[in-house]
Amino acid sequence: AQKITQTQPGMFVQEKEAVTLDCTYDTSDPSYGLFWYKQPSSGEMIFLIYQGSYDQQNATEGRYSLNFQKARKSANLVISASQLGDSAMYFCAMREFNNAGNMLTFGGGTRLMVKP
Amino acid sequence: DSGVTQTPKHLITATGQRVTLRCSPRSGDLSVYWYQQSLDQGLQFLIQYYNGEERAKGNILERFSAQQFPDLHSELNLSSLELGDSALYFCASSVEGGTSTKNIQYFGAGTRLSVL
Repeated sequence: AQKITQTQPGMFVQEKEAVTLDCTYDTSDPSYGLFWYKQPSSGEMIFLIYQGSYDQQNATEGRYSLNFQKARKSANLVISASQLGDSAMYFCAMREFNNAGNMLTFGGGTRLMVKP
Repeated sequence: DSGVTQTPKHLITATGQRVTLRCSPRSGDLSVYWYQQSLDQGLQFLIQYYNGEERAKGNILERFSAQQFPDLHSELNLSSLELGDSALYFCASSVEGGTSTKNIQYFGAGTRLSVL
């Protein structure tokens, strides 16, 4: 079974509007972390935001926020006031505490395209 | 700039050859991770080193090997290359080895390997 599922292969959003990128995960580990990364066309992976499984509040980092619904096992990324520079691939990833190292398991990604 | 340096940026080689990818972690980071990003497999964890020792192993082929040196830089060696090894290889680094789910991994810009 997929551990991280991103069901939206591609999305369009109008500049200055908000957009939600979906991520669902599967784990039996009570302690885990969820991460979002951005990959622009240049190829690098940029860390955006982190949410821990025991965090009481949804994480926020500037225009990025994470809509964490633990019972539903979802960790959707919300980007407010989209900018043209937000056009990129976005990856959701999970780290389960029980894994021996610190490996991240990634979803298949969502390509976001911001329209002017 | 994540502070993680990968060289070279691009590598073109032939089947059957051997190549070495190099990674310098962020200052102060003790862990180095290698990931492979390909069109068919997505982003996959290969291997992790922490302070010179192998910490975790993922889907790494026997033809591939890695090491972390005393100055904490790491090298990923790929041998007997096949067409299917063509991919973007990322190095990431983090402060610790995995005692916290929030151990954020910062990625380098990647090495794009083309096997012809």
